[in-house]
Amino acid sequence: QQQVKQSPQSLIVQKGGISIINCAYENTAFDYFPWYQQFPGKGPALLIAIRPDVSEKKEGRFTISFNKSAKQFSLHIMDSQPGDSATYFCAASYDKVIFGPGTSLSVIP
Amino acid sequence: GAGVSQSPSNKVTEKGKDVELRCDPISGHTALYWYRQSLGQGLEFLIYFQGNSAPDKSGLPSDRFSAERTGGSVSTLTIQRTQQEDSAVYLCASSPHPNTGELFFGEGSRLTVL
Repeated sequence: QQQVKQSPQSLIVQKGGISIINCAYENTAFDYFPWYQQFPGKGPALLIAIRPDVSEKKEGRFTISFNKSAKQFSLHIMDSQPGDSATYFCAASYDKVIFGPGTSLSVIP
Repeated sequence: GAGVSQSPSNKVTEKGKDVELRCDPISGHTALYWYRQSLGQGLEFLIYFQGNSAPDKSGLPSDRFSAERTGGSVSTLTIQRTQQEDSAVYLCASSPHPNTGELFFGEGSRLTVL
């Protein structure tokens, strides 16, 4: 019930393309769904987040789509750049924060 | 500093020794979290604090692991009788708001148990 599933495990996208990462959860008590970006040797950093009363949130090239009935949410990175190459974690929280297993994104020129 | 500070950044120890990892959260942040990240893996929840109390210790892997927080600020994660499988990066995060997923992470303490 506490698990957050994430796919794909790794993703290779050409520069300028769209990167899509999907997550799913079971526990309906979760009420905050953040995405974190982690570069090697660094701690994760909050990228964008959404609450379940909203179906979509966009910040620059990053968009979260949220489907409450399906208990799924996804991150879309538009116009992907080599600097976006990192590991991305979805998460869900109500008191503690539970992370998905991560997606390693490589954006190739 | 303005961010979450963790020390030591690297620790190499022998199997069976005790280690202490320290976390200095952002000033004023009431919530503090510990996670463990093994090489190339995700973030495994260990424990979180609201103020000085720990409402959820369910993630601690065994009774060799313990954590405390004093003065609503600094936290220490202690691992007794370390084992090789304890080798990982231990990440600390703090949050300005309780019950949100808005976490600010430190850069972690890399523990290697020989």
